[in-house]
Amino acid sequence: NAGVTQTPKFRVLKTGQSMTLLCAQDMNHEYMYWYRQDPGMGLRLIHYSVGEGTTAKGEVPDGYNVSRLKKQNFLLGLESAAPSQTSVYFCASKFRQATTGELFFGEGSRLTVL
Amino acid sequence: DQQVKQNSPSLSVQEGRISILNCDYTNSMFDYFLWYKKYPAEGPTFLISISSIKDKNEDGRFTVFLNKSAKHLSLHIVPSQPGDSAVYFCAARRGYGGSQGNLIFGKGTKLSVKP
Repeated sequence: NAGVTQTPKFRVLKTGQSMTLLCAQDMNHEYMYWYRQDPGMGLRLIHYSVGEGTTAKGEVPDGYNVSRLKKQNFLLGLESAAPSQTSVYFCASKFRQATTGELFFGEGSRLTVL
Repeated sequence: DQQVKQNSPSLSVQEGRISILNCDYTNSMFDYFLWYKKYPAEGPTFLISISSIKDKNEDGRFTVFLNKSAKHLSLHIVPSQPGDSAVYFCAARRGYGGSQGNLIFGKGTKLSVKP
């Protein structure tokens, strides 16, 4: 199984450009998440989804939009990229019934905004 | 306001010795605590967890201890191996469903195990 797959792995944008990060999971997980990781800041939750067609804001949602049209996919969009959005983005998923709340992460997408 | 704190950004240990990574939390409603391990250019991977009703959980070389009265948990790695060199994240959740099930992460501790 591929698990959680993120595309693209790397991207360089100019300020004001838009882009979409795609996350796909093949584990039939109900819950999906987008995190960003910055030096010295740990992992911060951007948006999450508890099921197909539903999304909710996390800790740092400003400047991002998300969509969950299919259960296996969770898209993260940047409508007008800013240098502050330079980061490594991680998608994660989990079973709704997971006792411990364990998340399965993708390998990350490194975004640079010039 | 940080609810999960890892106050040591880095830790260096000799191979074969014990590594102790610490984590403090402020929210007494957390019901599960998890440790994740992250290598460079990879996503975090789950390592071990502990329920708030337990005080110890062991898995091979990894043991997590929970002290609820002190709101403190620690991850012990014995013996430490060079392959354990990674960033370790402590995480906690408040409950089971919806936003309560969201994990809150600490900032991480970079462990270096020297041969």
